[in-house]
Amino acid sequence: GAGVSQTPSNKVTEKGKYVELRCDPISGHTALYWYRQSLGQGPEFLIYFQGTGAADDSGLPNDRFFAVRPEGSVSTLKIQRTERGDSAVYLCASSLTLRGQGQNEQFFGPGTRLTVL
Amino acid sequence: AQTVTQSQPEMSVQEAETVTLSCTYDTSESDYYLFWYKQPPSRQMILVIRQEAYKQQNATENRFSVNFQKAAKSFSLKISDSQLGDAAMYFCAYRTTYNNNDMRFGAGTRLTVKP
Repeated sequence: GAGVSQTPSNKVTEKGKYVELRCDPISGHTALYWYRQSLGQGPEFLIYFQGTGAADDSGLPNDRFFAVRPEGSVSTLKIQRTERGDSAVYLCASSLTLRGQGQNEQFFGPGTRLTVL
Repeated sequence: AQTVTQSQPEMSVQEAETVTLSCTYDTSESDYYLFWYKQPPSRQMILVIRQEAYKQQNATENRFSVNFQKAAKSFSLKISDSQLGDAAMYFCAYRTTYNNNDMRFGAGTRLTVKP
């Protein structure tokens, strides 16, 4: 497919468990973003990758959240010791990063709905 | 810090009519980008329209147009000839020109289209 894909579509877990959420960006997109969207809210920025490195992780709420992008393509968002408050839709987006252009459009995936019981 | 406010949690419109969704924002920057995204039940955020702050002309995309009032920091979306497929959550978003990843979203407006 040509768009951003995310797996799983839905994830139900128990409090205290570890979860991994996967994002496949659009081929060739060097920038990748993770957002969290709580019920009734707009997406909130979590972390941004430029290539393999996390260029900005200021949105991660605490050290239970971690994300990797080892080969500069697929990214995994990891949440340790999940809490009920982590329940949300986790959105991934990707974009080109063209030098001199500040309006690189972010293309979003369908998200993963995480439910922590 | 930049904030985006959407004061209408829900709006409804009759099919074929026109509806306007409101958005205000707060920033100290002079140059930035503003966006309207549509999020249907499939959850995928779809870019509807984009406005660059340094451009005075309001952006238009087919049935979608914006009323950008820079001094008032207002960025409303007008949907003309509303269609059933327009029903969705609509999010207004702000992004600075120097930080591609710093995108701030409003809380959204749920649009219902009545047949």
